[in-house]
Amino acid sequence: QQPVQSPQAVILREGEDAVINCSSSKALYSVHWYRQKHGEAPVFLMILLKGGEQKGHDKISASFNEKKQQSSLYLTASQLSYSGTYFCVSAGTGGGNKLTFGTGTQLKVEL
Amino acid sequence: NAGVMQNPRHLVRRRGQEARLRCSPMKGHSHVYWYRQLPEEGLKFMVYLQKENIIDESGMPKERFSAEFPKEGPSILRIQQVVRGDSAAYFCASSGSGNQPQHFGDGTRLSIL
Repeated sequence: QQPVQSPQAVILREGEDAVINCSSSKALYSVHWYRQKHGEAPVFLMILLKGGEQKGHDKISASFNEKKQQSSLYLTASQLSYSGTYFCVSAGTGGGNKLTFGTGTQLKVEL
Repeated sequence: NAGVMQNPRHLVRRRGQEARLRCSPMKGHSHVYWYRQLPEEGLKFMVYLQKENIIDESGMPKERFSAEFPKEGPSILRIQQVVRGDSAAYFCASSGSGNQPQHFGDGTRLSIL
């Protein structure tokens, strides 16, 4: 079962904020976030390894609630370059794990 | 560019032919993963390899698909007797170890006529 993301799609004006939520029916041991632009490879954004961990770089940050099996991605002061499809990705325990991509959230930032 | 290199970028095959997709991992990475992406969908795991070994092939179709990662050279995803349903983007990713983030190549777009 793949993680479920919400919303499915969102349109922002440049400078606005957005939150993308990710929920899993299975235990989450770690959460990865990727962004994919149309026709391109997914680009790694960040990984959260511990319950309660929050990470961020630039104006994109994320939180991970292991007990609730949820993660959220926060985008502040959005820029045009933030447009793309965001995937929350779960990885299993142990080493060398296959990634299970979430349902995806299409984000479009307009002027 | 020391990133993950995939070739070809685009591949066209007729039904019944064979398709070979190549992936050279990032320098220093010994773990390779293959994913398939259908239009408007997320990536689906196919197989995970470490040099000369298949670690997890739980996402590979039982027939016609095979993968290898030889001691020397790139990883190869091979699809025999292709059918229209094999049309998709195939992405390769690599990591330095199992717990490190995976970095993706630009993918091979496979079209079946």
